[in-house]
Amino acid sequence: ETGVTQSPTHLIKTRGQQVTLRCSSQSGHNTVSWYQQALGQGPQFIFQYYREEENGRGNFPPRFSGLQFPNYSSELNVNALELDDSALYLCASSFYGSGNTQYFGPGTRLTVL
Amino acid sequence: KQEVTQIPAALSVPEGENLVLNCSFTDSAIYNLQWFRQDPGKGLTSLLLIQSSQREQTSGRLNASLDKSSGRSTLYIAASQPGDSATYLCAVSKGAQKLVFGQGTRLTINP
Repeated sequence: ETGVTQSPTHLIKTRGQQVTLRCSSQSGHNTVSWYQQALGQGPQFIFQYYREEENGRGNFPPRFSGLQFPNYSSELNVNALELDDSALYLCASSFYGSGNTQYFGPGTRLTVL
Repeated sequence: KQEVTQIPAALSVPEGENLVLNCSFTDSAIYNLQWFRQDPGKGLTSLLLIQSSQREQTSGRLNASLDKSSGRSTLYIAASQPGDSATYLCAVSKGAQKLVFGQGTRLTINP
């Protein structure tokens, strides 16, 4: 059984650029959630995708967008990068349902200069 | 709005001690609570999940309790080891969607 994978591991961008982060969900899971974790803070929910549609969104601006593909993998896109977007971006997969554990990937460290 | 608080923010204890980490949340209408471990710069590893109908869960040297009515959870670690050094995060869920996390407790076990 393959766990949650994310790519790339690290990424450096400059302010104003656009970035795409990728996540492959764990086998058997149909839901992907994205979180942003600033240094020294707990993760903050960005959004969740289920059946290729956004299924809940946190307090993030529209320049944060995503996709889910038929194989349940997902992308997080961030446009017009700002310095405060520097963070660890975590992807979590689960089987849709209120009692189910979310399994996290290793994260992508994004640095915006 | 659900808020999750973890106390203390950091804890340093000698190897072999038993210890308790605390988590409190403001909205008791939760579906479940999870405890995670995070090593520096890494992703999250799920340790224990407690459903709202449960009072506690155990895994090895770890025991997590949940008192939903008072909005509190504790993570008890028995016979601590240097390998237990990490940041421990608790998170609550009100459904199938988002987890709301605390800021974590950074734990250091000294040999």
